[in-house]
Amino acid sequence: DAGVIQSPRHEVTEMGQEVTLRCKPISGHNSLFWYRQTMMRGLELLIYFNNNVPIDDSGMPEDRFSAKMPNASFSTLKIQPSEPRDSAVYFCASSLLGDVEQYFGPGTRLTVT
Amino acid sequence: DQQVKQNSPSLSVQEGRISILNCDYTNSMFDYFLWYKKYPAEGPTFLISISSIKDKNEDGRFTVFLNKSAKHLSLHIVPSQPGDSAVYFCAASKLGGNQFYFGTGTSLTVIP
Repeated sequence: DAGVIQSPRHEVTEMGQEVTLRCKPISGHNSLFWYRQTMMRGLELLIYFNNNVPIDDSGMPEDRFSAKMPNASFSTLKIQPSEPRDSAVYFCASSLLGDVEQYFGPGTRLTVT
Repeated sequence: DQQVKQNSPSLSVQEGRISILNCDYTNSMFDYFLWYKKYPAEGPTFLISISSIKDKNEDGRFTVFLNKSAKHLSLHIVPSQPGDSAVYFCAASKLGGNQFYFGTGTSLTVIP
């Protein structure tokens, strides 16, 4: 298996622009997680889905953030409008429902200028 | 606010010696704990875990110790190798739950 795939790997955008991050989970996995990594807060869970349904989005920082999972093999995290404080590395992870081990993608490094 | 804390941002150890990484948590409902390892430009990868019914779990050179009364766990790496140089994240969850709470990470450097 190719593992969790994220795109783009790097994104540089200007403040106010819309940013869309993409994730393809491991085939057969039915839980998907979006994390944000910052120096101050480490890895923060933003939202997670079970069987394509959002279960907990309490980690989404603001209404500017939204996430979708239209099918079992694809998810997006959108920031609109983006701000410099959104600059971070965003990880997607997937797992089998109820399994403790999550498999992480390589991350998307987002820089908002 | 931070339910899982790693108070040492960095640690340097000589090759062959023991590395000890520490983690504290505040939520007494946590009953499953994991360590993840992260190399630069890669996602974290699972290293070792422990449930609250145990106080020790060993896997090769890696051992995790859990002290429930102190709400503290530690990862021991013996002997440390240069390839162990990475950022180590501690995470906690309720058993059967999907949601993990991660610490801020400890950057380990093993000096040859």
